[in-house]
Amino acid sequence: EVQLVESGGGLVQPGRSLKLSCAASGFTFSDYNMAWVRQAPKKGLEWVATISYDGSSTYYRDSVKGRFTISRDNAKSTLYLQMDSLRSEDTATYYCARAIAAIYFDYWGQGVMVTVSS
Amino acid sequence: DIQMTQSPSLLSASVGDRVTINCKASQNINKYLNWYQQKLGEAPKLLIYNTNNLQTGIPSRFSGSGSGTDYTLTISSLQPEDFGTYFCFQHNSWPLTFGSGTKLEIK
Repeated sequence: EVQLVESGGGLVQPGRSLKLSCAASGFTFSDYNMAWVRQAPKKGLEWVATISYDGSSTYYRDSVKGRFTISRDNAKSTLYLQMDSLRSEDTATYYCARAIAAIYFDYWGQGVMVTVSS
Repeated sequence: DIQMTQSPSLLSASVGDRVTINCKASQNINKYLNWYQQKLGEAPKLLIYNTNNLQTGIPSRFSGSGSGTDYTLTISSLQPEDFGTYFCFQHNSWPLTFGSGTKLEIK
């Protein structure tokens, strides 16, 4: 059974950093691209970043470019999202997702909440 | 960026009804259109991929159609467990974008 479990969320002040993790199991992690998708409270879904199966390619939405870094450790079957210079508009539930056919998402984690507030 | 416009934003229907949800892209997305269902407090679930392909385990009452810029999700006979919010999603080009969602309520 595919499982994705996010961790690392919490309350953080504007301008500070936070690192999210996503532990994957139930599939060969190194075979799949992976992504982060977020959802602000009572809002829609917003793709954040995608990383290729081997970590060689990354893609970001403009609003997080230069502030967020997606990475992975295939030996640990773990996906990461380093979030720097956080803003109030980054407040959201962050979902880890497996990318099928390299790009769209078939399995999602349960999400982790990130609140950026002073 | 490709904008995805969903309609209606709120839909109230009865068990057994045929329900349709529409999604319009701001440019041609070449059928790279998925539909997701999300229930309160849960992660989204993939229903349909590439316009009309049913994800494994999804009931056959769900179907999708469309081309170019216009796409539709149809539930042929609404069941009580189908409540939730439905999102369309384009993966034709970066940045990947979602529709704003259609909240489906069961009367």
